[in-house]
Amino acid sequence: AAGVIQSPRHLIKEKRETATLKCYPIPRHDTVYWYQQGPGQDPQFLISFYEKMQSDKGSIPDRFSAQQFSDYHSELNMSSLELGDSALYFCASSLGVVGGGSYEQYFGPGTRLTVT
Amino acid sequence: DAKTTQPTSMDCAEGRAANLPCNHSTISGNEYVYWYRQIHSQGPQYIIHGLKNNETNEMASLIITEDRKSSTLILPHATLRDTAVYYCIVAYGQNFVFGPGTRLSVLP
Repeated sequence: AAGVIQSPRHLIKEKRETATLKCYPIPRHDTVYWYQQGPGQDPQFLISFYEKMQSDKGSIPDRFSAQQFSDYHSELNMSSLELGDSALYFCASSLGVVGGGSYEQYFGPGTRLTVT
Repeated sequence: DAKTTQPTSMDCAEGRAANLPCNHSTISGNEYVYWYRQIHSQGPQYIIHGLKNNETNEMASLIITEDRKSSTLILPHATLRDTAVYYCIVAYGQNFVFGPGTRLSVLP
């Protein structure tokens, strides 16, 4: 079965540079989530989109922005990168979120971002 | 903060059942219990979820107490490939908060 695709899988950037991470959800999934997992930490929710609209926001820094496009893929844009942004970034997708309920999220393999 | 409490680590012999407990005493009536696992630095893998009733699928069984304040994930025949961090998550809708999880080590 098709899974969530993330690109690139690895990315090395210098401080103050910008980075763009891409996420392609499972076909027919219309909700996308972004998580950040620092070294030795647990995944932390950043932001999510449902039908191209932001649906929830977590601990996403102001330097980061994201959007979901008409084909439901999503991009996480990160500017003024800091050393502390080095982490695994996971994207997950699910079927539509309307008023809550049961929505299993399926995660991609992640993008490992290293800021030097 | 996570709404769940799990043991930091557990060991299980290969071929035996692994029973992973989770306490969620503040769970709301409409919140689901989800279980995920993360093997090394791979993306978290969905295992199972439930609301009130016990659930079973090809990977595991989920036992939820009648008062819903705790649950147990059961891997019926653990293999070495089940070694991972297991996360119990309580959520309504999409807001997943990952806690420290349980590091399960399956021993040969």
